[in-house]
Amino acid sequence: AAGVIQSPRHLIKEKRETATLKCYPIPRHDTVYWYQQGPGQDPQFLISFYEKMQSDKGSIPDRFSAQQFSDYHSELNMSSLELGDSALYFCASSLDSTSTDTQYFGPGTRLTVL
Amino acid sequence: AQTVTQSQPEMSVQEAETVTLSCTYDTSESDYYLFWYKQPPSRQMILVIRQEAYKQQNATENRFSVNFQKAAKSFSLKISDSQLGDAAMYFCAYMQGGSEKLVFGKGMKLTVNP
Repeated sequence: AAGVIQSPRHLIKEKRETATLKCYPIPRHDTVYWYQQGPGQDPQFLISFYEKMQSDKGSIPDRFSAQQFSDYHSELNMSSLELGDSALYFCASSLDSTSTDTQYFGPGTRLTVL
Repeated sequence: AQTVTQSQPEMSVQEAETVTLSCTYDTSESDYYLFWYKQPPSRQMILVIRQEAYKQQNATENRFSVNFQKAAKSFSLKISDSQLGDAAMYFCAYMQGGSEKLVFGKGMKLTVNP
């Protein structure tokens, strides 16, 4: 079965640089979610989109922005990167956010900020 | 705010034996969902099992079952016939009905000894 695809899988950036993470949800899933998992931490919800509209927002820094496109893929844009942004970034997708559907996670993008 | 507590940071079990992972949560809501996710060394987040709060029957998925005690706000995961591949971090997670955000516990590392 098709799963959530995230690219790139690994990314190394310098401080103050920008990064773009991409997420391709499971086919027919219309909702995507972004989570950040720091080293040794539990995942923290950042933001979600349903039908290309932002549907919920968590502890996402102002330096980060995200959007969902017409093909339902999503991008997380991160600017002015800081050392503390080093983490595993997960994208998850679900079929219908209105029914509290189960979220299926991608493999994650490991971001390292030097 | 809802919180999820996993009080045991680590546990170990012998192969083929049974182990129970504990989780408690705090909420004043009546409509919510509970999940167990597994994170093996690959760091992929894999759904293990899901429980709707309105359902009295405990969820079961093959060797995995839950003991959902709504009044006590307890949601434990039982793994029967433990296998080496069950070794992973296990996260308990809560989602309020109508919300998009998963709230995770701090996780518990399970070791399976041959």
